[in-house]
Amino acid sequence: AQSVTQLDSHVSVSEGTPVLLRCNYSSSYSPSLFWYVQHPNKGLQLLLKYTSAATLVKGINGFEAEFKKSETSFHLTKPSAHMSDAAEYFCVVSEDTASKLTFGTGTRLQVTL
Amino acid sequence: NAGVTQTPKFRVLKTGQSMTLLCAQDMNHEYMYWYRQDPGMGLRLIHYSVGEGTTAKGEVPDGYNVSRLKKQNFLLGLESAAPSQTSVYFCASSNTQPQHFGDGTRLSIL
Repeated sequence: AQSVTQLDSHVSVSEGTPVLLRCNYSSSYSPSLFWYVQHPNKGLQLLLKYTSAATLVKGINGFEAEFKKSETSFHLTKPSAHMSDAAEYFCVVSEDTASKLTFGTGTRLQVTL
Repeated sequence: NAGVTQTPKFRVLKTGQSMTLLCAQDMNHEYMYWYRQDPGMGLRLIHYSVGEGTTAKGEVPDGYNVSRLKKQNFLLGLESAAPSQTSVYFCASSNTQPQHFGDGTRLSIL
């Protein structure tokens, strides 16, 4: 069975400082991993995905994530936070041929001036 | 290109009423999914479909039914709404990964 643990329910950073959102996963097989972002009252937008190619994955809006199999982690980072990055972020795992996703509980990112 | 469209966007029901949520996608995707989102719980899969005419149960299927009569549409039904079904419902579609999401339906059951 697959599962995802997002280690922080809430992260607060100042604008212009680095962002780190932590995610650990559990999977019986070689998983696909994703980060989605959800702005208030909106649907989910894909930030980036890992599907067994390069372990460092670059996404949209300057985000990137590194797949570390030995640590079963897939942390999301950004060098410099912007006010528009304030949102809910979900780490997601899939190992299923029907492409079913298992979501983490989310991390709310707050960006302050 | 609209992507994934959910109808309605908001709805308030009384306990015991029934309703159907509609999801339509214009990307010719084979797979479609219904999720519910509750505070602090992420998204949980209700039902999904791997093709026209097929449906399968997800993690939290009780109290819901679905139908996929046409490839582009996936309907979620509540036969007798309960307050515990108050949630935000998201539809998604895909061929492989990633899934594409609609903007959600906010449903309140009084």
